[in-house]
Amino acid sequence: EVQLVESGGGLVQPGGSLRLSCEASGFTFNNYWMHWVRQAPGKGLVWVSRISGDGSSTAYADSVQGRFIISRDNARNTVSLQMTTLRAEDSAVYYCVRGGIDYWGQGALVTVSS
Amino acid sequence: DVVMTQFPLSLPVTLGQPASISCRSSQSLVYSDGNIYLNWFQQRPGQSPRRLLYKISNRDSGVPDRFSGSGSGTDFTLKISRVEAEDVGVYYCMQGTHWPYTFGPGTRVDIK
Repeated sequence: EVQLVESGGGLVQPGGSLRLSCEASGFTFNNYWMHWVRQAPGKGLVWVSRISGDGSSTAYADSVQGRFIISRDNARNTVSLQMTTLRAEDSAVYYCVRGGIDYWGQGALVTVSS
Repeated sequence: DVVMTQFPLSLPVTLGQPASISCRSSQSLVYSDGNIYLNWFQQRPGQSPRRLLYKISNRDSGVPDRFSGSGSGTDFTLKISRVEAEDVGVYYCMQGTHWPYTFGPGTRVDIK
């Protein structure tokens, strides 16, 4: 059974940093691109970032380019999102999503507020 | 970025009756491999999104056959043949052809 479990969410002040992690199981991790998608409270879904199976290719939404870094550790079946210079508008549930966009984690809530 | 629009944004339906949601993209979703990467997702209250259909009309495992998808080019449709109580939620179309992938604004389906 495919499982994606996010961790690392929480409350952070504007300008602060936070690191989200997603542990994957139930599939051959390094065969898949992995994505982060976010959803602000009561709002729709927005793509944030993606990384290739071997980690050599990454991409970011314009809104997070230069502030967020996606990475993966294929030995540990984890994908991470390092978020810096956080803004109030980054507040959202962040979902880890398997390439193919078929499986989603339960989400990690990030709140940016003073 | 490709803009995805959906209509209607709110859809009250009677149990057992059909429902239809339209999705339109601002540009063609035909990828270089000839496929159209148009997906439909369901998000029930308090849950993560769940993929229902991929490449316009292919149902994911476990998705009831009352859900169907159609369309081509830039116009797509999700149909529910007979709405059940468990179908309440928000439905999103999403294009996976052009980066960044983009979602429609969502259509909220509830029971009259």
